[in-house]
Amino acid sequence: QVQLVQSGAEVKKPGASVRVSCKASGYTFTNYAIHWVRQAPGQRLEWMGWINRGNDNTKYSQKFQGRVTITRDTSASTAYMELSSLRSEDTGVYYCAREGGDNWFDPWGQGTLVTVSS
Amino acid sequence: DIQMTQSPSSLSASVGDRVTITCRASQGISNFLAWFQQKPGKAPKSLIYAASTLESGVPSKFSGSGSGTDFTLTISSLQPEDFATYYCQQYNSYPYTFGQGTKLEIK
Repeated sequence: QVQLVQSGAEVKKPGASVRVSCKASGYTFTNYAIHWVRQAPGQRLEWMGWINRGNDNTKYSQKFQGRVTITRDTSASTAYMELSSLRSEDTGVYYCAREGGDNWFDPWGQGTLVTVSS
Repeated sequence: DIQMTQSPSSLSASVGDRVTITCRASQGISNFLAWFQQKPGKAPKSLIYAASTLESGVPSKFSGSGSGTDFTLTISSLQPEDFATYYCQQYNSYPYTFGQGTKLEIK
């Protein structure tokens, strides 16, 4: 079945970087885009950016511009989200989601908890 | 950025009830609106996109409507598994933005 499986929880110190992976299975990886969404504790969902399906073009939310990089490895059917210069406000659950075809943001990965603490 | 505002923020209802959640955009977004359901500790699940198109596998008890700035999600014949938090999302322009959520609780 179609699924996205994300890497495990991370604990980072302020100023560090984190890379979260999102491995796809059950479909042709290159036919769909991948979006990344963050949910800070008790907060609404927050779109971070996406990587396009055909040409690796990316688009980022201005809020994260300069700190976030989304890439993919088509040979591994895996997308990555790297966030740098971490601060405590970056603590939250990070999700990847597939987009394309007859679906919108379906399915989602299970989420990766990133904790930023000194 | 386009601001998305949902109402109510929380809602109590009984099994079998029909409920409606509204979502208002700070500017017109045509029909570029999606609805998601999220249960505690779980990833969101897509229910509806393009304001009224059900994702495959989503039961027809869920329905969406609206265009421009005002949208609604209606859930008929509530069942225990429907009690969750619901979010709207606009994807008319970057950055895509979500509403603050509506928590649907059992009365």
